[in-house]
Amino acid sequence: QVTLRESGPALVKPTQTLTLTCTFSGFSLSTSGMCVSWIRQPPGKALEWLALIDWDDDKYYSTSLKTRLTISKDTSKNQVVLTMTNVDPEDTATYYCARMPTPAIAGGYYMDVWGKGTTVTVSS
Amino acid sequence: SYVLTQPPSVSVAPGRTASITCGGNNIGSKSVHWYQQKPGQAPVLVIYYDSDRPSGIPERFSGSNSGNTATLTISRVEAGDEADYYCQVWDSSSDHPLVFGGGTKLTVL
Repeated sequence: QVTLRESGPALVKPTQTLTLTCTFSGFSLSTSGMCVSWIRQPPGKALEWLALIDWDDDKYYSTSLKTRLTISKDTSKNQVVLTMTNVDPEDTATYYCARMPTPAIAGGYYMDVWGKGTTVTVSS
Repeated sequence: SYVLTQPPSVSVAPGRTASITCGGNNIGSKSVHWYQQKPGQAPVLVIYYDSDRPSGIPERFSGSNSGNTATLTISRVEAGDEADYYCQVWDSSSDHPLVFGGGTKLTVL
């Protein structure tokens, strides 16, 4: 059974750095083609993709946030970590991590299993 | 980056068919995936590769993709289908490769 669980602080002050951890089980991020993504959703708003890391340690970022984001993985711990620097109240959101399985066709990346999400509030 | 356009809302009576569109430039050349999100819950994959259903998703959910429009179709709509629906593509030519549509709120009348 594939599961993912997000963890991190519920409250962060503006200008601080936010560190979120995705702990997963039931699959290996060493498997060719496998990826894990981070997605967020501000209250009442749409899903926004943030970053992903693949089995080969390649990383992709949202162009609007790439200067503030860093994604990394610890394969031995089955964890993916996302850091976001210089947070702002607009970063208040529920943050999800999700598995992206090896695509059957080129370019066919999607998210088949999601964590429940962790809610982060940015406020002084 | 690639842009996906969805209608903000769609309404349908129980038992009827709902169609939710996702527009994008030549989207028919890409694989489109759909997610259902109920209030307070994480998204759930309902359609992948345009028209494939994950195990556990009812056959009432189907998808198609051609030209500049992909469509999620829900037949015999039930009250439990009321949710937000998001389309998603992977744009390998972009430095922002993963894109979501803005979401569609499906209301069951």
